[in-house]
Order: sequence, then structure tokens, then C-alpha cells
Amino acid sequence: AQSVAQPEDQVNVAEGNPLTVKCTYSVSGNPYLFWYVQYPNRGLQFLLKYITGDNLVKGSYGFEAEFNKSQTSFHLKKPSALVSDSALYFCAVRPMEYGNKLVFGAGTILRVKS
Amino acid sequence: NAGVTQTPKFQVLKTGQSMTLQCAQDMNHNSMYWYRQDPGMGLRLIYYSASEGTTDKGEVPNGYNVSRLNKREFSLRLESAAPSQTSVYFCASSEAPGSVRQPQHFGDGTRLSIL
Repeated sequence: AQSVAQPEDQVNVAEGNPLTVKCTYSVSGNPYLFWYVQYPNRGLQFLLKYITGDNLVKGSYGFEAEFNKSQTSFHLKKPSALVSDSALYFCAVRPMEYGNKLVFGAGTILRVKS
Repeated sequence: NAGVTQTPKFQVLKTGQSMTLQCAQDMNHNSMYWYRQDPGMGLRLIYYSASEGTTDKGEVPNGYNVSRLNKREFSLRLESAAPSQTSVYFCASSEAPGSVRQPQHFGDGTRLSIL
């Protein structure tokens, strides 16, 4: 079965410190990987994606993510967290045979404290 | 830039009532989706429409029906609402089915409570 795991329900980090939000996946074949962010009472906003090529992908708002095929992981990172980064983050995978359908992780709440 | 528009934003229903959630996109996307979001479960796909005139079941279709009215609009209907359908519902759209590299674009959601 295709699945995405976000092992941490919540991540707390101090403003200015680096942050990591973890994601691992289990799919057959080579998937496309995505990160989305959700602010309160809003829909999901696309942050970045990995399709192929360089394992480190850069996205919106200074976020980046590192694809690791051997560990089947796609962790979201940012060198210096901002209070405004506090939100709910979702990792999603689009298995090759799923067409345009996405499989989402359960989400990780990121809290950045000043 | 409207993007994906969902109506209504909030709704309270009684068990057994019916309701249609509306979704429209102005990005000329071919594919549209309905998800539900429940705490600790992420988003789960209810139905999707790869292109105008086609619809398919997702992960949790029971209790729902959909209509792809035209390229812009994709509605979700609850025929007989149940408390288990209390959730936040999101509509999304994306480019043609072949463009699997493109992200989905989401509306702001409909918060539905079934009493």
C-alpha cells in the first residue's frame, strides 16, 4: 500500500534556529514528492516538489527539502526559522501509477517561538 | 486571482439532511479533486475528476456523490448526512492528467458539522 509517514505531530523551534520536518514514504516505483503548508482556516499552499534530478530542492519562503532514495525520506528544512513559519505542514507523494492523485501524510504542526 | 473557490465556507446540518458543496476554479485546469481533512489523518481523497465528463472514486467515497458540471465546476453532494461526515472539505485542481509534475491548487475549505 502507498503511504506517507510524518513521525512528529509537532515540532518546536526557536526563531533563528534551523528547522527540520520529517517525512518518509512507502511506495512502489519512483514517486513524485511534495510539501504543502496550511495556515489556520486556509487551504493548502504548495511549497516545493521533487520530480527528478538534484536531491536538494528549493521552494517558497526559503524552504528546501532533501530527497534520500535509500532512506525513502523527503525532509523539509529551513536554515533560519521565522515566527511566521508556524503552520501545519503536509508531505504528499504521487506514486507513478496513481496519475494525478496524491497520498498525504497526517501533517506536522510547526511552532516557532520568538 | 481567485484560483479555487469553495462555497459555503461553513455549514451545520442535521443528520439525514442533504447538501451540495460547490467548487469552481478559474485556472483552466482539467483535473479536480475533493478531499476531507480530519485531525491526525491528513487529507483523504473522496472523489476526483481527471477531465471534464469523467469522475472516479478515491479512498473514502462512501456517502458522497459528485458532479463535474463543466470544466470549471466540480460539486460534492451528501445525500443523507451522518455525524461521521463532520469534517473540513477541500476542493483542489491541477493541470491535465498527463502533467503529473504539477502541484494541486486548493480552495480554503468548507467546514461542515453534522449534528
